[in-house]
Amino acid sequence: KNEVEQSPQNLTAQEGEFITINCSYSVGISALHWLQQHPGGGIVSLFMLSSGKKKHGRLIATINIQEKHSSLHITASHPRDSAVYICAAAGNQFYFGTGTSLTVIP
Amino acid sequence: EPEVTQTPSHQVTQMGQEVILRCVPISNHLYFYWYRQILGQKVEFLVSFYNNEISEKSEIFDDQFSVERPDGSNFTLKIRSTKLEDSAMYFCASSKEVFGDGTRLSIL
Repeated sequence: KNEVEQSPQNLTAQEGEFITINCSYSVGISALHWLQQHPGGGIVSLFMLSSGKKKHGRLIATINIQEKHSSLHITASHPRDSAVYICAAAGNQFYFGTGTSLTVIP
Repeated sequence: EPEVTQTPSHQVTQMGQEVILRCVPISNHLYFYWYRQILGQKVEFLVSFYNNEISEKSEIFDDQFSVERPDGSNFTLKIRSTKLEDSAMYFCASSKEVFGDGTRLSIL
């Protein structure tokens, strides 16, 4: 049973493209996190959302609490955005999605 | 910017041995977490720690695992008798947002 589902699993984009990664969750949450994991393995927190929308540079994250759905958007994608993006639902514990592997080609 | 520091970066241990993974979380944070990621799989929650005790733990966190904050700065994860399937990357986090770089644990 997967409490958090992400799509797509893999994504290849041309530099400059607009990218969307989707996340659905089935558990009650206090917040939804988007994380970035680089090939070396390190994890960086991008966003923590409990409602609405947040923007940081070219990254935008939205959440619809009623629909239990969140999206991460990357505008004007760049090769340095290539990484695994992980959605994580914070309830009593932390439930992680399987990640979306993004490759941006120059 | 405050960081979470994990040591060692890579630990190789014989099966059946005890291993202690160390983390120095951000000092004024209250919640600390351990996660693991088996190679090629998703990150999994192990345990959360608040006010010097476990607040939540997952099914993975069985009697073989324990956590401690022995001196008010270090936060440790101990695996009592390691198994091959304990081989994974172990991440410490301070609050839910700041992750350490992880310790790669390899069990031989």
